[in-house]
Amino acid sequence: DAGITQSPRHKVTETGTPVTLRCHQTENHRYMYWYRQDPGHGLRLIHYSYGVKDTDKGEVSDGYSVSRSKTEDFLLTLESATSSQTSVYFCATAQGGEQYFGPGTRLTVT
Amino acid sequence: GNSVTQMEGPVTLSEEAFLTINCTYTATGYPSLFWYVQYPGEGLQLLLKATKADDKGSNKGFEATYRKETTSFHLEKGSVQVSDSAVYFCALLRQGATNKLIFGTGTLLAVQP
Repeated sequence: DAGITQSPRHKVTETGTPVTLRCHQTENHRYMYWYRQDPGHGLRLIHYSYGVKDTDKGEVSDGYSVSRSKTEDFLLTLESATSSQTSVYFCATAQGGEQYFGPGTRLTVT
Repeated sequence: GNSVTQMEGPVTLSEEAFLTINCTYTATGYPSLFWYVQYPGEGLQLLLKATKADDKGSNKGFEATYRKETTSFHLEKGSVQVSDSAVYFCALLRQGATNKLIFGTGTLLAVQP
């Protein structure tokens, strides 16, 4: 257990509102990731970070931004939520080629 | 490009049956290969991995062998239990990538008593 927590665990929001999801780790891992999980697509990488203030886009980054001001925290922001962003969001960290996942956040955009 | 293809589910088995979930990959170089498991309502957990050709990863009675000649990493278990019911994801980590995993779409396994 890599000590990864995500908050909130569940959120319902309205179209057009901003939303921020938080990932917190206690293992001092350098790499952190945000994925979304949707039926028929598996997990798709949104953004990742390879150090404090160092981030890059994944394969489905449109409509999302991230920030990492401390090693332990990686924030995912939906600037203006849309119904297509209804999904389960997972945070992960990596050490030694292995990834460790948080429990997920279920986001519903109405 | 790099990709992972898994057999579609759901796979429904009776307890103590033999399990195979097929996984094939496309990648340049020599990726590391992984199987992750996701139990209902939880995040993914690493089940097993293999880092080079002919390596066999194993854990909790599950096994998978890295076959470079067939670009495959099939997951097997000799006798499944109800508690094995979960979604299984095959994934690859490309050499030189910043630890970015590429996942298959997942296979739901349902084991009936």
